[in-house]
Amino acid sequence: EAQVTQNPRYLITVTGKKLTVTCSQNMNHEYMSWYRQDPGLGLRQIYYSMNVEVTDKGDVPEGYKVSRKEKRNFPLILESPSPNQTSLYFCASSRGGQVTYEQYFGPGTRLTVT
Amino acid sequence: QKEVEQNSGPLSVPEGAIASLNCTYSDRVSQSFFWYRQYSGKSPELIMSIYSNGDKEDGRFTAQLNKASQYVSLLIRDSQPSDSATYLCAVNIGYSSASKIIFGSGTRLSIRP
Repeated sequence: EAQVTQNPRYLITVTGKKLTVTCSQNMNHEYMSWYRQDPGLGLRQIYYSMNVEVTDKGDVPEGYKVSRKEKRNFPLILESPSPNQTSLYFCASSRGGQVTYEQYFGPGTRLTVT
Repeated sequence: QKEVEQNSGPLSVPEGAIASLNCTYSDRVSQSFFWYRQYSGKSPELIMSIYSNGDKEDGRFTAQLNKASQYVSLLIRDSQPSDSATYLCAVNIGYSSASKIIFGSGTRLSIRP
């Protein structure tokens, strides 16, 4: 089954404790992206990647890191989480190319930073 | 001005009627436009994509794009209670797929029986 998976689905952590949220897709998609969703603010793009070793900042990259060492994986790293990073996070992937194609979303990771 | 704007709603429509959802965007060079549906607590799922001016129909859904007016809309015919959800408009900002995608904050649609 074609899908985007994220782990963990739920995470409660404390300020400053480094964490990684994994994202993997099995559709051989070139484009992958991370979003956070907050009430009233909609989905905001954190980082995106056009292909292996190619990443770029979205609208809200501060406090996050990403890496793309393999085509299928795109982990999101919070080196020193803070309470304002409490949010619902989605990973998404799509075909690459000249045109921006539709994205397929993972199930989401609900993160709480205390 | 926000880059992608939607009326937050809620938009209440009687069952069987047409629901009309609107979205405006600020970047004149945007090439790709999407409508996603998101049920509460779930991830967004694609409803329609549209890349050129005019209408695109898929079942009960029609997307309309007017690049001159920087306007994209989604019509849902014969609305069903299962259509009750938040609808997100998404636009790529830039010339190509190597560019950011901006989502509107979403319109909450409620279909009343």
